[in-house]
Amino acid sequence: GQGVEQPDNLMSVEGTFARVNCTYSTSGFNGLSWYQQREGHAPVFLSYVVLDGLKDSGHFSTFLSRSNGYSYLLLTELQIKDSASYLCAVRMPNYNVLYFGSGTKLTVEP
Amino acid sequence: DPKIIQKPKYLVAVTGSEKILICEQYLGHNAMYWYRQSAKKPLEFMFSYSYQKLMDNQTASSRFQPQSSKKNHLDLQITALKPDDSATYFCASSQEGLGGQNTLYFGAGTRLSVL
Repeated sequence: GQGVEQPDNLMSVEGTFARVNCTYSTSGFNGLSWYQQREGHAPVFLSYVVLDGLKDSGHFSTFLSRSNGYSYLLLTELQIKDSASYLCAVRMPNYNVLYFGSGTKLTVEP
Repeated sequence: DPKIIQKPKYLVAVTGSEKILICEQYLGHNAMYWYRQSAKKPLEFMFSYSYQKLMDNQTASSRFQPQSSKKNHLDLQITALKPDDSATYFCASSQEGLGGQNTLYFGAGTRLSVL
């Protein structure tokens, strides 16, 4: 099967940072995306990476290591409103199929 | 205004019945998708369409049939409903080419409960 794994929960403090990890083991790879999903709402696209290294997009940064099947989403200067689930999705070579992880629920405390 | 409209927002059905979930997108995208999300489970890919043609189907059951009457429509017909079909069904779209396919835009979802 296609394995995309994420920790279930993560807690952090307002003003600090949080790193949401994702490991994958899939039969193919054509990039990895991160989505934010609030309770009862649709996922919202955050970032897409296909090359190794860190992609800095300000509040959200993403890291990818293809050889290790590993990515993380880094949120800096956390705000309470960053509390949400963060979904990692591996894009397959065949037509835009995404395999999602179960998501990590991030709770940002005051 | 929402650019991907899904109807209805909530749907309750009895076991064995048939329902159609509606999806229309006004983003001008050429590719559309259906995903399903059950409680405690990952978002699961079901179908992908491009220019109204089926590109990929990862739904084991033939009870799920997508229908595309127009380029910006992709409905989902579900027959012989079972309680296990209870989930939120998300429609999504993306733009072909120039990397646009890397970004999916999701509708608000239809929450289906089968009794």
